[in-house]
Amino acid sequence: SAVISQKPSRDICQRGTSLTIQCQVDSQVTMMFWYRQQPGQSLTLIATANQGSEATYESGFVIDKFPISRPNLTFSTLTVSNMSPEDSSIYLCSVQEQGESPLHFGNGTRLTVT
Amino acid sequence: SQKIEQNSEALNIQEGKTATLTCNYTNYSPAYLQWYRQDPGRGPVFLLLIRENEKEKRKERLKVTFDTTLKQSLFHITASQPADSATYLCVPQGSGTYKYIFGTGTRLKVLA
Repeated sequence: SAVISQKPSRDICQRGTSLTIQCQVDSQVTMMFWYRQQPGQSLTLIATANQGSEATYESGFVIDKFPISRPNLTFSTLTVSNMSPEDSSIYLCSVQEQGESPLHFGNGTRLTVT
Repeated sequence: SQKIEQNSEALNIQEGKTATLTCNYTNYSPAYLQWYRQDPGRGPVFLLLIRENEKEKRKERLKVTFDTTLKQSLFHITASQPADSATYLCVPQGSGTYKYIFGTGTRLKVLA
Protein backbone atom coordinates (compact mmCIF):
# COMPACT_ATOMS: atom_id res chain seq x y z
CA SER A 1 0.00 0.00 0.00
CA ALA A 2 1.02 3.60 -0.56
CA VAL A 3 3.35 5.28 1.92
CA ILE A 4 2.64 8.93 2.57
CA SER A 5 5.07 11.48 3.95
CA GLN A 6 3.68 14.73 5.23
CA LYS A 7 5.70 17.78 6.22
CA PRO A 8 5.91 19.54 8.57
CA SER A 9 4.63 17.24 11.29
CA ARG A 10 3.79 20.23 13.47
CA ASP A 11 4.14 23.99 13.51
CA ILE A 12 3.26 26.98 15.61
CA CYS A 13 2.37 30.01 13.53
CA GLN A 14 1.46 33.61 14.09
CA ARG A 15 -1.97 34.93 13.29
CA GLY A 16 -2.17 36.39 9.77
CA THR A 17 0.62 34.27 8.30
CA SER A 18 0.37 31.29 5.93
CA LEU A 19 1.67 27.74 6.13
CA THR A 20 2.18 25.30 3.27
CA ILE A 21 1.91 21.60 4.04
CA GLN A 22 3.49 19.06 1.71
CA CYS A 23 2.29 15.56 0.95
CA GLN A 24 4.55 13.10 -0.90
CA VAL A 25 3.42 9.61 -1.93
CA ASP A 26 5.80 6.80 -2.85
CA SER A 27 3.70 5.73 -5.84
CA GLN A 28 1.42 7.33 -8.39
CA VAL A 29 -2.14 7.64 -7.17
CA THR A 30 -5.25 8.96 -8.82
CA MET A 31 -7.05 10.44 -5.86
CA MET A 32 -5.51 12.67 -3.20
CA PHE A 33 -7.50 14.36 -0.49
CA TRP A 34 -6.97 16.87 2.26
CA TYR A 35 -8.80 16.52 5.57
CA ARG A 36 -8.99 18.59 8.72
CA GLN A 37 -9.41 17.16 12.19
CA GLN A 38 -10.19 19.67 14.88
CA PRO A 39 -9.42 18.81 18.50
CA GLY A 40 -11.61 15.98 19.73
CA GLN A 41 -13.48 15.82 16.42
CA SER A 42 -13.67 13.46 13.49
CA LEU A 43 -12.24 14.12 10.04
CA THR A 44 -13.75 16.68 7.67
CA LEU A 45 -12.94 16.64 3.98
CA ILE A 46 -11.51 19.96 2.80
CA ALA A 47 -10.96 19.21 -0.87
CA THR A 48 -9.92 16.73 -3.50
CA ALA A 49 -6.59 17.58 -5.09
CA ASN A 50 -6.88 17.08 -8.85
CA GLN A 51 -3.76 16.58 -10.91
CA GLY A 52 -3.39 19.29 -13.52
CA SER A 53 -6.54 21.19 -12.59
CA GLU A 54 -8.13 23.14 -9.78
CA ALA A 55 -8.99 21.31 -6.60
CA THR A 56 -12.60 20.44 -5.79
CA TYR A 57 -13.61 22.06 -2.51
CA GLU A 58 -16.25 20.91 -0.07
CA SER A 59 -18.91 23.18 1.34
CA GLY A 60 -17.41 25.60 3.83
CA PHE A 61 -13.93 25.58 2.32
CA VAL A 62 -12.70 28.03 -0.31
CA ILE A 63 -9.68 28.27 -2.54
CA ASP A 64 -8.58 31.65 -1.23
CA LYS A 65 -8.24 30.27 2.27
CA PHE A 66 -6.96 26.79 1.38
CA PRO A 67 -5.15 26.89 -1.97
CA ILE A 68 -4.08 23.43 -3.14
CA SER A 69 -1.57 22.39 -5.74
CA ARG A 70 -1.15 18.98 -7.37
CA PRO A 71 1.59 19.18 -9.99
CA ASN A 72 1.85 15.41 -10.49
CA LEU A 73 0.46 12.05 -9.33
CA THR A 74 2.73 11.76 -6.29
CA PHE A 75 2.75 15.21 -4.71
CA SER A 76 0.35 17.83 -3.37
CA THR A 77 0.46 20.89 -1.14
CA LEU A 78 -2.16 22.55 1.00
CA THR A 79 -1.69 26.14 2.13
CA VAL A 80 -3.56 27.54 5.10
CA SER A 81 -3.71 31.27 4.40
CA ASN A 82 -4.13 34.28 6.65
CA MET A 83 -4.34 32.03 9.67
CA SER A 84 -6.40 32.65 12.77
CA PRO A 85 -6.56 30.64 16.00
CA GLU A 86 -9.67 28.87 14.62
CA ASP A 87 -7.40 27.23 12.05
CA SER A 88 -5.58 25.35 14.80
CA SER A 89 -6.16 21.76 13.83
CA ILE A 90 -4.59 18.64 12.42
CA TYR A 91 -4.40 18.59 8.63
CA LEU A 92 -4.20 15.18 6.98
CA CYS A 93 -3.31 14.14 3.47
CA SER A 94 -4.82 10.91 2.19
CA VAL A 95 -4.74 8.92 -1.02
CA GLN A 96 -6.84 6.29 -2.69
CA GLU A 97 -5.05 3.93 -5.04
CA GLN A 98 -8.12 2.90 -6.99
CA GLY A 99 -11.87 3.18 -6.88
CA GLU A 100 -13.49 1.83 -3.73
CA SER A 101 -10.15 0.95 -2.18
CA PRO A 102 -9.41 2.13 1.34
CA LEU A 103 -7.86 5.48 2.11
CA HIS A 104 -4.24 5.71 3.24
CA PHE A 105 -3.27 8.62 5.44
CA GLY A 106 -0.18 10.54 6.31
CA ASN A 107 0.47 11.19 9.98
CA GLY A 108 -0.84 14.71 9.70
CA THR A 109 0.38 18.22 10.43
CA ARG A 110 -0.53 19.59 13.84
CA LEU A 111 -0.98 23.33 13.40
CA THR A 112 -1.26 25.77 16.29
CA VAL A 113 -2.03 29.41 15.53
CA THR A 114 -1.26 31.97 18.20
CA SER B 1 -28.31 15.47 5.21
CA GLN B 2 -26.19 12.38 5.67
CA LYS B 3 -25.45 11.63 9.27
CA ILE B 4 -23.20 9.07 10.92
CA GLU B 5 -23.33 8.42 14.63
CA GLN B 6 -20.99 6.40 16.78
CA ASN B 7 -20.89 5.97 20.56
CA SER B 8 -19.94 9.47 21.56
CA GLU B 9 -18.67 8.49 24.97
CA ALA B 10 -15.47 6.56 25.51
CA LEU B 11 -15.85 2.83 25.94
CA ASN B 12 -13.83 1.23 28.75
CA ILE B 13 -13.64 -2.54 28.92
CA GLN B 14 -11.57 -5.09 30.76
CA GLU B 15 -8.79 -6.93 28.97
CA GLY B 16 -9.97 -10.23 27.50
CA LYS B 17 -13.56 -9.10 27.03
CA THR B 18 -15.27 -8.39 23.73
CA ALA B 19 -15.60 -4.74 22.74
CA THR B 20 -18.61 -3.82 20.61
CA LEU B 21 -18.73 -0.49 18.84
CA THR B 22 -21.81 0.83 17.05
CA CYS B 23 -22.15 2.88 13.88
CA ASN B 24 -25.57 4.19 12.84
CA TYR B 25 -26.19 6.15 9.66
CA THR B 26 -29.17 8.04 8.28
CA ASN B 27 -30.26 9.60 5.00
CA TYR B 28 -28.24 7.45 2.67
CA SER B 29 -27.71 3.92 1.52
CA PRO B 30 -24.03 3.00 1.44
CA ALA B 31 -22.84 0.28 -0.88
CA TYR B 32 -20.11 -0.61 1.59
CA LEU B 33 -18.77 0.44 4.94
CA GLN B 34 -15.22 0.73 6.23
CA TRP B 35 -13.74 0.79 9.70
CA TYR B 36 -10.53 2.62 10.58
CA ARG B 37 -8.39 2.83 13.67
CA GLN B 38 -6.74 6.06 14.76
CA ASP B 39 -4.06 6.35 17.42
CA PRO B 40 -3.16 9.73 18.98
CA GLY B 41 -0.92 11.76 16.70
CA ARG B 42 -1.43 9.40 13.77
CA GLY B 43 -3.57 9.26 10.68
CA PRO B 44 -6.37 6.67 10.51
CA VAL B 45 -5.45 3.16 9.45
CA PHE B 46 -7.83 0.96 7.47
CA LEU B 47 -9.06 -2.20 9.22
CA LEU B 48 -11.99 -3.78 7.41
CA LEU B 49 -14.44 -3.25 4.57
CA ILE B 50 -17.86 -4.88 4.37
CA ARG B 51 -20.20 -4.67 1.40
CA GLU B 52 -23.98 -4.27 1.53
CA ASN B 53 -24.54 -7.85 0.40
CA GLU B 54 -22.33 -9.21 3.20
CA LYS B 55 -23.81 -9.73 6.64
CA GLU B 56 -20.54 -10.32 8.42
CA LYS B 57 -16.80 -10.00 7.86
CA ARG B 58 -13.96 -11.28 10.02
CA LYS B 59 -10.27 -10.62 10.28
CA GLU B 60 -8.34 -12.24 13.12
CA ARG B 61 -9.95 -10.90 16.32
CA LEU B 62 -12.10 -8.37 14.47
CA LYS B 63 -15.66 -8.89 13.27
CA VAL B 64 -17.91 -6.44 11.47
CA THR B 65 -21.62 -6.76 10.75
CA PHE B 66 -23.66 -4.63 8.37
CA ASP B 67 -27.44 -4.40 8.66
CA THR B 68 -28.84 -2.27 5.84
CA THR B 69 -32.36 -2.53 7.25
CA LEU B 70 -31.36 -1.13 10.62
CA LYS B 71 -28.81 1.18 8.95
CA GLN B 72 -26.23 -0.01 11.40
CA SER B 73 -22.81 -1.62 11.58
CA LEU B 74 -21.34 -3.29 14.64
CA PHE B 75 -17.59 -3.66 15.13
CA HIS B 76 -16.41 -6.33 17.55
CA ILE B 77 -12.96 -6.92 19.00
CA THR B 78 -12.75 -10.26 20.76
CA ALA B 79 -10.20 -11.07 23.48
CA SER B 80 -9.40 -7.38 23.68
CA GLN B 81 -5.92 -6.20 24.67
CA PRO B 82 -4.61 -2.88 25.98
CA ALA B 83 -2.93 -2.42 22.57
CA ASP B 84 -6.42 -2.23 21.05
CA SER B 85 -6.97 1.09 22.84
CA ALA B 86 -7.56 3.69 20.13
CA THR B 87 -10.33 5.63 18.40
CA TYR B 88 -12.34 3.66 15.86
CA LEU B 89 -14.01 5.40 12.94
CA CYS B 90 -16.71 4.09 10.65
CA VAL B 91 -17.10 5.27 7.07
CA PRO B 92 -20.26 4.29 5.16
CA GLN B 93 -19.54 4.77 1.47
CA GLY B 94 -21.87 5.12 -1.47
CA SER B 95 -21.07 3.38 -4.73
CA GLY B 96 -19.42 5.52 -7.36
CA THR B 97 -18.50 8.37 -5.04
CA TYR B 98 -15.04 9.29 -3.87
CA LYS B 99 -16.27 11.28 -0.88
CA TYR B 100 -15.54 9.58 2.42
CA ILE B 101 -17.60 10.93 5.30
CA PHE B 102 -16.21 9.82 8.62
CA GLY B 103 -18.22 9.01 11.68
CA THR B 104 -17.60 10.81 14.94
CA GLY B 105 -15.45 7.97 16.22
CA THR B 106 -15.53 5.95 19.43
CA ARG B 107 -12.61 6.02 21.80
CA LEU B 108 -11.92 2.56 23.20
CA LYS B 109 -9.80 1.94 26.26
CA VAL B 110 -8.93 -1.62 27.22
CA LEU B 111 -7.96 -1.87 30.87
CA ALA B 112 -5.27 -4.32 31.93
